Amino acid sequence: GENVEQHPSTLSVQEGDSAVIKCTYSDSASNYFPWYKQELGKGPQLIIDIRSNVGEKKDQRIAVTLNKTAKHFSLHITETQPEDSAVYFCAASITTGGSYIPTFGRGTSLIVHP
Amino acid sequence: DTGVSQDPRHKITKRGQNVTFRCDPISEHNRLYWYRQTLGQGPEFLTYFQNEAQLEKSRLLSDRFSAERPKGSFSTLEIQRTEQGDSAMYLCASSAFEEGAYQETQYFGPGTRLLVL
Repeated sequence: GENVEQHPSTLSVQEGDSAVIKCTYSDSASNYFPWYKQELGKGPQLIIDIRSNVGEKKDQRIAVTLNKTAKHFSLHITETQPEDSAVYFCAASITTGGSYIPTFGRGTSLIVHP
Repeated sequence: DTGVSQDPRHKITKRGQNVTFRCDPISEHNRLYWYRQTLGQGPEFLTYFQNEAQLEKSRLLSDRFSAERPKGSFSTLEIQRTEQGDSAMYLCASSAFEEGAYQETQYFGPGTRLLVL
């Protein structure tokens, strides 16, 4: 089955700095890569996603890049703010056949210091 | 608030007892997923329904676990004869599946935190 590795496990930055979280996946058939943000006491919330035929996607301060050959993808957050502090999860899934079950990484705890 | 609700939010039980959790998805969503999340880990898939049909179950779902979605709306997850290893956050998610779509946005509820003593 799919295996997703995520690094780092903890990331501490100053407000205004950029943050980068990296993930690798094992199954070359994976074609959809969502990123989730989980705040304390809440369930994960989708923040951005990318499909395998796209190399990069941006949404305001958040961007995701995908390297299919190397089987890795990254989340980039620019101009970090204290409210960005949360646990971030990457995931990979195979969306052919009508099944969209994601395999999640272990998460990165992002701490943004004011 | 994503619109997915779970009840209860917290449950403490003794080993060997049965527990049942409920998930109410976003009303028009046809798919409903159950995940388990332990400390320091990402969510792990347990099972999912499309309408009332249970389409897939993970190997993580032992025979002590059973899930239902009888009318294609809310779902229940029951754990029989709980063990300490069942202590975890149980997350529910729902989605609006469309045939042929490349993605399926899952909306997660706040979870039920289970502690087995």
